[in-house]
Amino acid sequence: KAGVTQTPRYLIKTRGQQVTLSCSPISGHRSVSWYQQTPGQGLQFLFEYFSETQRNKGNFPGRFSGRQFSNSRSEMNVSTLELGDSALYLCASSIDRNLYEQYFGPGTRLTVT
Amino acid sequence: QQPVQSPQAVILREGEDAVINCSSSKALYSVHWYRQKHGEAPVFLMILLKGGEQKGHEKISASFNEKKQQSSLYLTASQLSYSGTYFCGTMNRDDKIIFGKGTRLHILP
Repeated sequence: KAGVTQTPRYLIKTRGQQVTLSCSPISGHRSVSWYQQTPGQGLQFLFEYFSETQRNKGNFPGRFSGRQFSNSRSEMNVSTLELGDSALYLCASSIDRNLYEQYFGPGTRLTVT
Repeated sequence: QQPVQSPQAVILREGEDAVINCSSSKALYSVHWYRQKHGEAPVFLMILLKGGEQKGHEKISASFNEKKQQSSLYLTASQLSYSGTYFCGTMNRDDKIIFGKGTRLHILP
């Protein structure tokens, strides 16, 4: 069974630009969550999608948005990039919501210059 | 509210035991433990549910004290492969899993 895939793996953007990251969950998994990981801050929850609906959102500004498609694939978008958005963005999928183990993808390393 | 993990870092020799603690200021419904090795994605260890049910895949044990809103992860007879950063994630009524900042564990041979 293929694992969670994220594209691209690395990205360099300039302040003010926007970026779209993609996540393909494990086949059959309907829940996709996104996390931002920076040194010393751990895994910061961004949002969770289930059946194409955003079920939960973390404490991030509106510049961070996402969506989920009918095949459970998910994208997140960050507009008007800031230097502080540089981080590893991890996507995790699970069969169902919350009480099931999450499988994490390798992440997208975003660098904002 | 982000759970607080302690200690922040610990160094052990192979074969020694370790305890990693996770506490929350809010009532907990479940606690989720993950381990992340350097340069890799986090990997699931176990889920502890209110009421005592546990779901896990590895020979690592944990406890969940609902009254104290705390969980502890017990690593006994540690192996070199246990090295990594351990994250606890807590879920309360708002239905979100919020992770702590992590505990770095380094096992020496």
